[in-house]
This record gives sequence, structure tokens and C-alpha cells, in this order.
Amino acid sequence: AQSVTQLDSQVPVFEEAPVELRCNYSSSVSVYLFWYVQYPNQGLQLLLKYLSGSTLVKSINGFEAEFNKSQTSFHLRKPSVHISDTAEYFCAVSAYNQGGKLIFGQGTELSVKP
Amino acid sequence: EAQVTQNPRYLITVTGKKLTVTCSQNMNHEYMSWYRQDPGLGLRQIYYSMNVEVTDKGDVPEGYKVSRKEKRNFPLILESPSPNQTSLYFCASSFTRQEASYEQYFGPGTRLTVT
Repeated sequence: AQSVTQLDSQVPVFEEAPVELRCNYSSSVSVYLFWYVQYPNQGLQLLLKYLSGSTLVKSINGFEAEFNKSQTSFHLRKPSVHISDTAEYFCAVSAYNQGGKLIFGQGTELSVKP
Repeated sequence: EAQVTQNPRYLITVTGKKLTVTCSQNMNHEYMSWYRQDPGLGLRQIYYSMNVEVTDKGDVPEGYKVSRKEKRNFPLILESPSPNQTSLYFCASSFTRQEASYEQYFGPGTRLTVT
């Protein structure tokens, strides 16, 4: 079975500051890794994903995440946040052999202040 | 436009009154799933379906039913809603082929209040 732990439930940060949202997972089999974002009063959107290959993956709006197999982590980072990045962020894993089931972390609420 | 739709978006009902939340996707996905989102608990899976007529329980199935008679539709049924089912519900879908990486597409959510 898989599990996901997001280490921070809330992260307040000032605009233009860097941010890191932490995610650790456990699994006995190989997994795909995802970050989803939920803007206020909206559904979830895929932000980025790690499938294979380069361990550093990037989104179109400046976020990046690095897969670290030895530490079983997939932390999300952005060097300079904007007010519009205020949202809840979910880390999720899917095992290669489970045909689609996603296991989500508890979510991290990112609040960007001016 | 590829999308997952849910109806209704908002629903207030009373304890014990049967209700159905519909979910439909137009991407020919095999896999469909229902989640509930509660503060501090993230998203928890209620039921999922790997294909037509194939459904299985997720992590929190008690008090819910589903059916999958057509590939595009996956309704969630609450036969006797209770206040502890007040929550935000999401439907999602994806392909089941490994090369499709299981990326799930989410509907806009249904906010249910049971009084």
C-alpha cells in the first residue's frame, strides 16, 4: 500500500519570497508522483508530474519538484511566489500496477501575502 | 473541450432524503472515481470504477453507492444522507493504461450540506 505525508498544513509567505512545500511518500512498488493545485472554489488541476527520467520536473508557471528516491520525497519549490499562487496544493502517488488509483496527501495551504 | 462535469454544484438537503450526484466525462476514460474533501483530511476516495460494470470500494465507502452502466457516466448515490456526509465531493477520470501515467482529470466539485 502507498501513503503520502505532506509535512506542512499551512505555509504563509510574502510575495516574491521562495517557497518549498514538502511531500514524503511510502510505497513498496514503483510509483508515479503528482502535484495538484486547487485554487479557491475550484476543482483540482494537475501542476506537474514525475513519471520517469529526469528527477527534476517543472510546471509552466515556475514551480518545480524533484524526485528523491533515497529519501522518498517529492518536494515542490518556487523561487519567487506571486499573490496568484495562493491555493491548496496536494501531493499524490499512483502505483505502476494499480491502474489509476491515486493516494493523496492531506494538502498544504499556501498563502501569499503582499 | 475535454472535461469532467458534475451536477449539481451545490446541494442542501435533509437527513434521509435520497440524492444522486451525477458525473460525466467526454475523454473516453476507463477509470472514474469519487472523492470527498474535508478540512485537514485531504481527498479520500469513496468508490472507483475501472470500466463499465466494474466498481470497487475506496477508503470511505460507507453510506454511498455507485453504478457504471455507461463508460462516460458514474453517478454517486446517497440513499439516506446523514450530516456526517456534509462535504465537498469530486469526480475524476483517467486512462488505465500505464503509459498514460494515470493522470486524473477532476470535475469542479459538488458542495453538499445535509441538515
